[in-house]
Amino acid sequence: KQEVTQIPAALSVPEGENLVLNCSFTDSAIYNLQWFRQDPGKGLTSLLLIQSSQREQTSGRLNASLDKSSGRSTLYIAASQPGDSATYLCAVNSGNTGKLIFGQGTTLQVKP
Amino acid sequence: EAGVAQSPRYKIIEKRQSVAFWCNPISGHATLYWYQQILGQGPKLLIQFQNNGVVDDSQLPKDRFSAERLKGVDSTLKIQPAKLEDSAVYLCASSTIRGRTYEQYFGPGTRLTVT
Repeated sequence: KQEVTQIPAALSVPEGENLVLNCSFTDSAIYNLQWFRQDPGKGLTSLLLIQSSQREQTSGRLNASLDKSSGRSTLYIAASQPGDSATYLCAVNSGNTGKLIFGQGTTLQVKP
Repeated sequence: EAGVAQSPRYKIIEKRQSVAFWCNPISGHATLYWYQQILGQGPKLLIQFQNNGVVDDSQLPKDRFSAERLKGVDSTLKIQPAKLEDSAVYLCASSTIRGRTYEQYFGPGTRLTVT
């Protein structure tokens, strides 16, 4: 049974700092992995999707990496801004139906 | 392109009452999902539809939860009777398929409080 874990559960950093969010999964047989952002009271916004054959994806100040063999992914945020404050969720698709298994999320606070 | 629409946004009910949520997916998306997100946790899939058919409902508490997707478009999720532990945000998502990739787009969710 696939399980997804995110560490840390919460993180507070000063503006401008570079930071890394971690995601681990127990079954390396995955189709892809997605990182989402969730603002309070809002739905989920997809940030990056990494296919199982890829090692990383980049979008602006965000870079996500995937190491399938070790069951790990990281989300790197460069030059953090207060607007980056949100909960970041990692989700794994390990079936052929698109079903996502989510981690519990990391709540990020970037202080001005 | 319009996003996934959900209503209501908020609902407060007493335990043992019934409640229904509505979802309108992105036009043309054949796959629709309902997730339950309890405070402090990641979303958990309740049910997945492909057009009108159910693909996965293994985590749907069928004694009290039901869902349908009429004509392969809109969907409703019902809880009857509600329990205190059903307090959560109910998220609807839809996706289209590119190769083997289902990229899901989420609605704003319905926050349910059961008192």
